[in-house]
Amino acid sequence: GQQLNQSPQSMFIQEGEDVSMNCTSSSIFNTWLWYKQDPGEGPVLLIALYKAGELTSNGRLTAQFGITRKDSFLNISASIPSDVGIYFCAGHATSGTYKYIFGTGTRLKVLA
Amino acid sequence: EAQVTQNPRYLITVTGKKLTVTCSQNMNHEYMSWYRQDPGLGLRQIYYSMNVEVTDKGDVPEGYKVSRKEKRNFPLILESPSPNQTSLYFCASRPNGVSSGNTIYFGEGSWLTVV
Repeated sequence: GQQLNQSPQSMFIQEGEDVSMNCTSSSIFNTWLWYKQDPGEGPVLLIALYKAGELTSNGRLTAQFGITRKDSFLNISASIPSDVGIYFCAGHATSGTYKYIFGTGTRLKVLA
Repeated sequence: EAQVTQNPRYLITVTGKKLTVTCSQNMNHEYMSWYRQDPGLGLRQIYYSMNVEVTDKGDVPEGYKVSRKEKRNFPLILESPSPNQTSLYFCASRPNGVSSGNTIYFGEGSWLTVV
């Protein structure tokens, strides 16, 4: 099955730094979702995006639906140790299938 | 509280011994699905169901079965588990359709080891 290209695969950052990650697809999407997964737990929804160009925030997290509808970005500002985990995107195509496609994840580690 | 509940959370079993992982959601969602998550491969869909008695194969269905006799339940069945089915499994649900608001809700995961 098709996978989204998510980058970077992993990041090591200092506490207080900002973080950026992105997902790109060869297909046009009408929905982008960003999830965080803690070790041994299920993914938890962070932000959902439904319109091209949409910019949505959730606390220190901000995500954008790219205007080409083939990409999305997640930014975390002023990172803290509890931001550690795996972040991944999911996209829903505009037609033909009800299936979401998932990115392979960005593993984030925050150094205190 | 809206949730997807799967059991067991952790299981070690032997090759060939049939097992079932249960999944239940309390949000009245039509769509349910099973994924497995393996290092470097992300989430891969095993089977999905768009409503009661309607199931279909995902990307990696070999070695698995599912059933959808009730809207809230979607069990995953491994008739004859093999070591390559050792993985972390997630059940998920969402409403049908393509309108905005159809976000996916995941269970907490089931760690399965087949020896």
